Amino acid sequence: ETGVTQTPRHLVMGMTNKKSLKCEQHLGHNAMYWYKQSAKKPLELMFVYNFKEQTENNSVPSRFSPECPNSSHLFLHLHTLQPEDSALYLCASSQDDRANQPQHFGDGTRLSIL
Amino acid sequence: AQSVAQPEDQVNVAEGNPLTVKCTYSVSGNPYLFWYVQYPNRGLQFLLKYITGDNLVKGSYGFEAEFNKSQTSFHLKKPSALVSDSALYFCAVRDKEGFQKLVFGTGTRLLVSP
Repeated sequence: ETGVTQTPRHLVMGMTNKKSLKCEQHLGHNAMYWYKQSAKKPLELMFVYNFKEQTENNSVPSRFSPECPNSSHLFLHLHTLQPEDSALYLCASSQDDRANQPQHFGDGTRLSIL
Repeated sequence: AQSVAQPEDQVNVAEGNPLTVKCTYSVSGNPYLFWYVQYPNRGLQFLLKYITGDNLVKGSYGFEAEFNKSQTSFHLKKPSALVSDSALYFCAVRDKEGFQKLVFGTGTRLLVSP
């Protein structure tokens, strides 16, 4: 599926680096999400944006900083990350954040912290 | 609080045989239920959802799921498995009031042998 595009697909960074993950959706959706996927754990919702407004921050450490400049783009700014932050970061979108709307996912960014 | 249980880490089935991937849920009110599939190095792909109405829901690639309110279950089924169905399957639930976030299970790996 090419409706939600994430870049880069892979990222290796040191703990002192600053990098950003990018997500773009071409589905005309109004809600966008960041999830963290770690092995053997359920998907962890990090942030939700609905019509460009942040509606949920799921107790995410401040070293992760989201940005949603418009309904089609979502960024996750990273700084001073820890080794336990290594994971697959998934972006998703939906028509809006109502409960009955399925979410459409990108292929993720595999993040490795050295 | 909402929760989802997928009791099997892995399900093995021979090609051509029927398959079932189990899911049970817990919500305070009425649920919206979803199944997603994840292929290697890809994001999650929406398969089907139960919102209301007929307890048997049909989705993509010949999959279906049956909502059973008394057993609080939403098992994923397919009459005849294909080797290409081998992937990681996630069940997810959200209460209809929409005040809680979408909660995913830990996933079940389906392995279909030739």
